[in-house]
Amino acid sequence: KAGVTQTPRYLIKTRGQQVTLSCSPISGHRSVSWYQQTPGQGLQFLFEYFSETQRNKGNFPGRFSGRQFSNSRSEMNVSTLELGDSALYLCASSLLGTHEKLFFGSGTQLSVL
Amino acid sequence: AQSVTQPDIHITVSEGASLELRCNYSYGATPYLFWYVQSPGQGLQLLLKYFSGDTLVQGIKGFEAEFKRSQSSFNLRKPSVHWSDAAEYFCAVGERSKLIFGAGTRLAVHP
Repeated sequence: KAGVTQTPRYLIKTRGQQVTLSCSPISGHRSVSWYQQTPGQGLQFLFEYFSETQRNKGNFPGRFSGRQFSNSRSEMNVSTLELGDSALYLCASSLLGTHEKLFFGSGTQLSVL
Repeated sequence: AQSVTQPDIHITVSEGASLELRCNYSYGATPYLFWYVQSPGQGLQLLLKYFSGDTLVQGIKGFEAEFKRSQSSFNLRKPSVHWSDAAEYFCAVGERSKLIFGAGTRLAVHP
């Protein structure tokens, strides 16, 4: 069974641009969560989608958005990039998403210049 | 608000020595507790989890953790560390459909 796939692996953008990150969950998993990891703030929850519906959202500005498609693949978008958005963005999938084992992808490393 | 504290930012042990990584949580109800490990350039892998029942939980790679409600702790232990255990370890508490992570403990293993 293939694991969680995140693309691209690395991304370099400049301030003011927007970016879209993609996540393909493990086959059969309906829940996809996104986390931001930075040296200063650690791992922080962005949002969680289940069957195309956002079920939970973290404390991030509206520039951060996401969506989930009918095949459970998910995308997150960050508009008007700021230097502080530089981070490792991790996607995790699970069957139901409620306090169960999460399977994480290797992440997308975003650098904002 | 729920929170997780990992008091040790860095720990260095010798290969073959025992290991204990500390984790304290703040949570009103019975917590769902997790330990994840992250190797450089990789995502996180679940080591073990506690939901209820036996307070001593066995995980993968020879790790175990003990839930102590009176101390609000969920410390991770391993009796004999291998060089391949060098990584960053995160304790987390589950709230609704999200995880709240501690800041992590980076483990170095000396030969």
